[in-house]
Amino acid sequence: DQQVKQNSPSLSVQEGRISILNCDYTNSMFDYFLWYKKYPAEGPTFLISISSIKDKNEDGRFTVFLNKSAKHLSLHIVPSQPGDSAVYFCAAFQGGSEKLVFGKGTKLTVNP
Amino acid sequence: NAGVTQTPKFRVLKTGQSMTLLCAQDMNHEYMYWYRQDPGMGLRLIHYSVGEGTTAKGEVPDGYNVSRLKKQNFLLGLESAAPSQTSVYFCASSQGGNNSPLHFGNGTRLTVT
Repeated sequence: DQQVKQNSPSLSVQEGRISILNCDYTNSMFDYFLWYKKYPAEGPTFLISISSIKDKNEDGRFTVFLNKSAKHLSLHIVPSQPGDSAVYFCAAFQGGSEKLVFGKGTKLTVNP
Repeated sequence: NAGVTQTPKFRVLKTGQSMTLLCAQDMNHEYMYWYRQDPGMGLRLIHYSVGEGTTAKGEVPDGYNVSRLKKQNFLLGLESAAPSQTSVYFCASSQGGNNSPLHFGNGTRLTVT
């Protein structure tokens, strides 16, 4: 039973446009959410996070939005750059748990 | 500052063979993790440790054992490899507590024939 769902396996956008990656979760006990970026043959790297007490967190070109009532979060990348082409993983911590649960990932391709 | 280092980077095993994957971190992190990544499956937690001398099961622990004898090292063992264990294995570490982000190594690609 997948607790963190990324329903789009892939996404393709033009350079300079906005990329929106979506993530849904089923466990209402999740209280902290993270996005990771992964290039081929490398490990995932932490990108941005958000606590469940917030609905938005911004870091440069990256913004994460959280809608708790819908159990949905999204990562916005503006403007998108070819170097952003990677697999993006959504992940969640449950309060008091040491375990980070990942979604299956979305492959983003930014075309020049 | 190397971060999280995994050895080896690649390995091919025959069914039934055993091996140990090594993970070392130089960030003085308390928590360490082993994940596997399979196509279309994302990252799944195998085992983790919240401190030296402790280990706990994750989502897919069967067929694996782990040890955390030293704070900086976390070993993942396969006693009798099976083709279903063909995967990319990632080790990670974190400070622990307060939703600390995990820092990952670059992975070990294991093929079991």
